[in-house]
Amino acid sequence: AQSVTQLDSHVSVSEGTPVLLRCNYSSSYSPSLFWYVQHPNKGLQLLLKYTSAATLVKGINGFEAEFKKSETSFHLTKPSAHMSDAAEYFCVGGNFGNEKLTFGTGTRLTIIP
Amino acid sequence: DAGITQSPRHKVTETGTPVTLRCHQTENHRYMYWYRQDPGHGLRLIHYSYGVKDTDKGEVSDGYSVSRSKTEDFLLTLESATSSQTSVYFCAIASRSGEWEQYFGPGTRLTVT
Repeated sequence: AQSVTQLDSHVSVSEGTPVLLRCNYSSSYSPSLFWYVQHPNKGLQLLLKYTSAATLVKGINGFEAEFKKSETSFHLTKPSAHMSDAAEYFCVGGNFGNEKLTFGTGTRLTIIP
Repeated sequence: DAGITQSPRHKVTETGTPVTLRCHQTENHRYMYWYRQDPGHGLRLIHYSYGVKDTDKGEVSDGYSVSRSKTEDFLLTLESATSSQTSVYFCAIASRSGEWEQYFGPGTRLTVT
């Protein structure tokens, strides 16, 4: 079964500095992996997705993630944090052809002015 | 934004009463999901549907039932609400794209007193 682990429950960075949100996955099969963002009192929005076409995935708002099979990781990065990036981020996994997804417990990103 | 609406958006109810939440989509997607979101748990799947009248249980289905009589509507019923069911409930939809990204509604905040 697919599972995902978000290694940090809370990350704080200063505005203009890089962002790194960490996610590890475990799967017996070729995974589909996603990052979603949730702003306060809002629904979840898809940031990016990996489905084996390319290991470096670019998403919206300058975010990107790299799939590393050898490390079973799918970390989310952004070169320069903006105040509007403050939100909760979820790493999500699924197996190709399996309609159910598994959510990580979330990482709350705080941006320091 | 995907055409997903949830109603009601907020509800306060008393322990022991039945409650029905509605999810409505305009995308004609086959798959629909109900999740609950609680601090420290991320999103957990309650039930999902893979077609009209076709539903299956998720990981936290006890105390909940669902129905889907039309492609566009997916109802979640709390048969006898308990305080432990106080949560934010999200509906999601997915097409059979082979990549399984899900699109989320705005959420329903339910308080059981």
